[in-house]
Amino acid sequence: QSALTQPASVSGSPGQSITISCTGTSNDVGAYNYVSWYQQHPGKAPKLMIYDVSNRPSGVSNRFSGSKSGNTASLTISGLQAEDEADYYCNSYTSTNWYVFGTGTKVTVL
Amino acid sequence: QVQLQESGPGLVKPSETLSLTCTVSGGSMSSYYWSWLRQAPGKGLEWIGYIYYSGSTNYNPSLNSRVTISVDTSRNQFSLKLSSVTAADTAVYYCARGGGWYSHWGQGTLVTVSS
Repeated sequence: QSALTQPASVSGSPGQSITISCTGTSNDVGAYNYVSWYQQHPGKAPKLMIYDVSNRPSGVSNRFSGSKSGNTASLTISGLQAEDEADYYCNSYTSTNWYVFGTGTKVTVL
Repeated sequence: QVQLQESGPGLVKPSETLSLTCTVSGGSMSSYYWSWLRQAPGKGLEWIGYIYYSGSTNYNPSLNSRVTISVDTSRNQFSLKLSSVTAADTAVYYCARGGGWYSHWGQGTLVTVSS
């Protein structure tokens, strides 16, 4: 099972919106609504931002939203802020009953 | 607030067994899945496996033959054993609450495989 494909980097100016894609297959992202997203700052543990495609945990800013179309899930960050600069990873359940992460995306706030 | 803390040796010799423990505080282990994940230096996240509080497990197929996860709810702990380690197993190891998505994470512990 290969890792889900994410762009290596995405950048935007403060206040802008950016979208990070996470492309899988019909055996993972496309088959289940079990996609989650994590934010990771350097040297820190990941933080859950989105679960089950589009649900936001308590305490996560509503500037973060998730969606899915076919085999591709997306994380959108609106009103980009300096503190959003971090690495982001998607994760999906697979048809072989295990979980695969994305390759990771570095978000840069210009 | 639930907190998780990994503990164990930071250095393991090749071919030996890596053993880590995660201590859960601030909440019960009941009714939750508990996972181990890792991140090699400069690389992405990898799911190792999870255990339900009752003891059922699910492992990453790529590690399945080498991994054992166990739970001791009386001590609020769960553990990871990874056998026959090589340099490729050098990583920061995280414990987390959840089986499919991970709401609470430990701070992570670096385990280096080297002689």
